[in-house]
Amino acid sequence: DGGITQSPKYLFRKEGQNVTLSCEQNLNHDAMYWYRQDPGQGLRLIYYSQIVNDFQKGDIAEGYSVSREKKESFPLTVTSAQKNPTAFYLCATTGQGNGELFFGEGSRLTVL
Amino acid sequence: KQEVTQIPAALSVPEGENLVLNCSFTDSAIYNLQWFRQDPGKGLTSLLLIQSSQREQTSGRLNASLDKSSGRSTLYIAASQPGDSATYLCAVITNAGKSTFGDGTTLTVKP
Repeated sequence: DGGITQSPKYLFRKEGQNVTLSCEQNLNHDAMYWYRQDPGQGLRLIYYSQIVNDFQKGDIAEGYSVSREKKESFPLTVTSAQKNPTAFYLCATTGQGNGELFFGEGSRLTVL
Repeated sequence: KQEVTQIPAALSVPEGENLVLNCSFTDSAIYNLQWFRQDPGKGLTSLLLIQSSQREQTSGRLNASLDKSSGRSTLYIAASQPGDSATYLCAVITNAGKSTFGDGTTLTVKP
């Protein structure tokens, strides 16, 4: 099936640890995005990439890092520098043309 | 900086009612506007995409309109059903691919 796969679905982290969230897509889309969602709020953009080996900071990039070594993959690392990492993380893509956003099912990170 | 506001934050209606959800944005220089549905603990499902040159889009019982000059979009849901209960989010997207989301409207449709 074509789509966006995020893993893991649930992740628990101890304070001071780095964790990496996976996002893989087989839609052949160029652009990929990472968002953070807190309870009762909309989505805030963390990082985005419009082409392999290139990415830009979004509105809340501090404490996060990304890489884009392959078109299909855009992993997000939540570092120990992120002071409040407990949140729901969503990955999205857009193809060429009308810019429609497509989302994965999300990963919920909880810091213990 | 683009700001997106959704009103109301929550809405409860009896089954069968027609309803309107509102989305307003501060910068009219958008590429497109997209409406999503989100069920609890899930990702976002795209409902309708309106490109900047369009005025409205329809899909089944859903109709979305866009007025760029006034910075407004509405999502009209006809004959609401309990299965429509979810959070509805709008997002505006720029030419550079940057998106800004509203905080959403949580809809409850009572049987």
